[in-house]
Amino acid sequence: GNSVTQMEGPVTLSEEAFLTINCTYTATGYPSLFWYVQYPGEGLQLLLKATKADDKGSNKGFEATYRKETTSFHLEKGSVQVSDSAVYFCALFSPAGNQFYFGTGTSLTVIP
Amino acid sequence: EAGVTQFPSHSVIEKGQTVTLRCDPISGHDNLYWYRRVMGKEIKFLLHFVKESKQDESGMPNNRFLAERTGGTYSTLKVQPAELEDSGVYFCASSQSGGSKVQYFGPGTRLTVT
Repeated sequence: GNSVTQMEGPVTLSEEAFLTINCTYTATGYPSLFWYVQYPGEGLQLLLKATKADDKGSNKGFEATYRKETTSFHLEKGSVQVSDSAVYFCALFSPAGNQFYFGTGTSLTVIP
Repeated sequence: EAGVTQFPSHSVIEKGQTVTLRCDPISGHDNLYWYRRVMGKEIKFLLHFVKESKQDESGMPNNRFLAERTGGTYSTLKVQPAELEDSGVYFCASSQSGGSKVQYFGPGTRLTVT
């Protein structure tokens, strides 16, 4: 079946620290992988995506590489800002099932 | 272009009452999805409409939940009668047919059943 496992939070970092949020998946077929972000009081927003193995998605300084050999899609940012405080969700889209599967979300708080 | 909107943003009801959630997708998006996040757990798929037809409702928890999308535009999700375990955040998403399959999410409706 399809599932996503991401590191549990909450995560608290100081401004300019390096961020890694781990995400691993199990899937049948060839899924696309996504990171969504939910800022306080807002809906889910697409942060980045990768549609095939070895693709790297990037946006707003965040990056994630689709690693088929380790079934991972870890989110990284070299220097976080206070405005990055949000909940981050890893997700996969299964073409076979035509639906998204989400992780539990990781809450990130960045302090000045 | 307006994004996905949901109404209400927050609803507090008593056990046994009925609540109806509404979702307005992005104009022109044939696909409409409902998801739910319960008590900080993962966001789980409920169902998927293509235009006015239910494509997949495998995630609906039980027959107390009824989703409709008359005319293929907005959708409603009714919970009747509500139970305590129905509390959570209900998200709606929409996407175009074909293409990248990216789903655009609404802000969610926080439902609290007391």
